[in-house]
Amino acid sequence: EAQVTQNPRYLITVTGKKLTVTCSQNMNHEYMSWYRQDPGLGLRQIYYSMNVEVTDKGDVPEGYKVSRKEKRNFPLILESPSPNQTSLYFCASKGQGAFQPQHFGDGTRLSIL
Amino acid sequence: TQLLEQSPQFLSIQEGENLTVYCNSSSVFSSLQWYRQEPGEGPVLLVTVVTGGEVKKLKRLTFQFGDARKDSSLHITAAQPGDTGLYLCAGRNNDMRFGAGTRLTVKP
Repeated sequence: EAQVTQNPRYLITVTGKKLTVTCSQNMNHEYMSWYRQDPGLGLRQIYYSMNVEVTDKGDVPEGYKVSRKEKRNFPLILESPSPNQTSLYFCASKGQGAFQPQHFGDGTRLSIL
Repeated sequence: TQLLEQSPQFLSIQEGENLTVYCNSSSVFSSLQWYRQEPGEGPVLLVTVVTGGEVKKLKRLTFQFGDARKDSSLHITAAQPGDTGLYLCAGRNNDMRFGAGTRLTVKP
């Protein structure tokens, strides 16, 4: 089954404690991205990757890092999480072609205390 | 400020009613997509519209792309409780931008 898998689904942690949210896709997609979803603001892109070893900032990259060492994986790293990073995070992947849909994971709800 | 403004933000209706939700922007997009998101899940693509004035139908859902490719609407005929969800529009140029969504509740 084609899917995007995020882990963990839920995480409560404290300010300053480094965390990583993993994302894996099995569709051999070149394009992957991370979004955060906040009430009234919709989905805002954090980082995206056009292919292995190629990453670019989205609209809200501050406080986040990503890496793309393999095609299937695109982890999101919060080196020193802060309460304003409490949000619902989605990873997505997309095949080649401008009109291809983004396939989203089921989301990771992060709470930073 | 949202690049894509969706209205209404919330909509609660009875089963069987018709409704229209809107996605507006001052920017021109090469294409526009509508997604539906249910609680605890990621958004799922409903449709992609590409040509100005284009109308696409998906069962009881009718999507229209504005002539100037700046806005779009989604009309649902005879809404059902299963239509409940968050409807997101996303405009694409070099990147993709999402609206904040319309949260639809259809009561039985």
